[in-house]
Amino acid sequence: ETGVTQSPTHLIKTRGQQVTLRCSSQSGHNTVSWYQQALGQGPQFIFQYYREEENGRGNFPPRFSGLQFPNYSSELNVNALELDDSALYLCASSYTGLITGETQYFGPGTRLLVL
Amino acid sequence: GENVEQHPSTLSVQEGDSAVIKCTYSDSASNYFPWYKQELGKRPQLIIDIRSNVGEKKDQRIAVTLNKTAKHFSLHITETQPEDSAVYFCASRRLGQNFVFGPGTRLSVLP
Repeated sequence: ETGVTQSPTHLIKTRGQQVTLRCSSQSGHNTVSWYQQALGQGPQFIFQYYREEENGRGNFPPRFSGLQFPNYSSELNVNALELDDSALYLCASSYTGLITGETQYFGPGTRLLVL
Repeated sequence: GENVEQHPSTLSVQEGDSAVIKCTYSDSASNYFPWYKQELGKRPQLIIDIRSNVGEKKDQRIAVTLNKTAKHFSLHITETQPEDSAVYFCASRRLGQNFVFGPGTRLSVLP
């Protein structure tokens, strides 16, 4: 198992609400990427955080936002939840440096259900 | 942007047989190609990866081959076992860009 952790494991929200998901990166890693995985599909890139700044973003609206903290942990915030936001949200940590380690290691995910 | 296709979407093999899953990518500058295994209700787990300066990599029963000219790479699992049953995802990445994942292949190993 990787050292990447996520909380909570499951969450039920209603349409229009806001949600915050959390991720702690693996020791020695400084980059966190967030993915949305709908049922039966591959992970879709939401955005990546490096040095506490967004470092790349996929095709997701601005109501998906994030933060990275000095200890490299990260949050994903989703405002104005929609039914289609129901999915497994995965974070992945990696190391970015002079010799970039490209390998990403996933956390266990947060399963979000929007009713 | 990068597009990754993966075939087949489902694959059933008898225990002990080999399984092959193929992915094609569109960005010729992509240079890193990992494979992940995801069991039901669990996180994607990295099982093997390959970089564009290598044509083949092997780790026990698992191997990955890369054809840069044709822009495709394949996962080979030999002597399959029931515990190999899972969904397998390929991904590709150009340095400095985000990963793009394939849609997944559901592998079933029948005893």
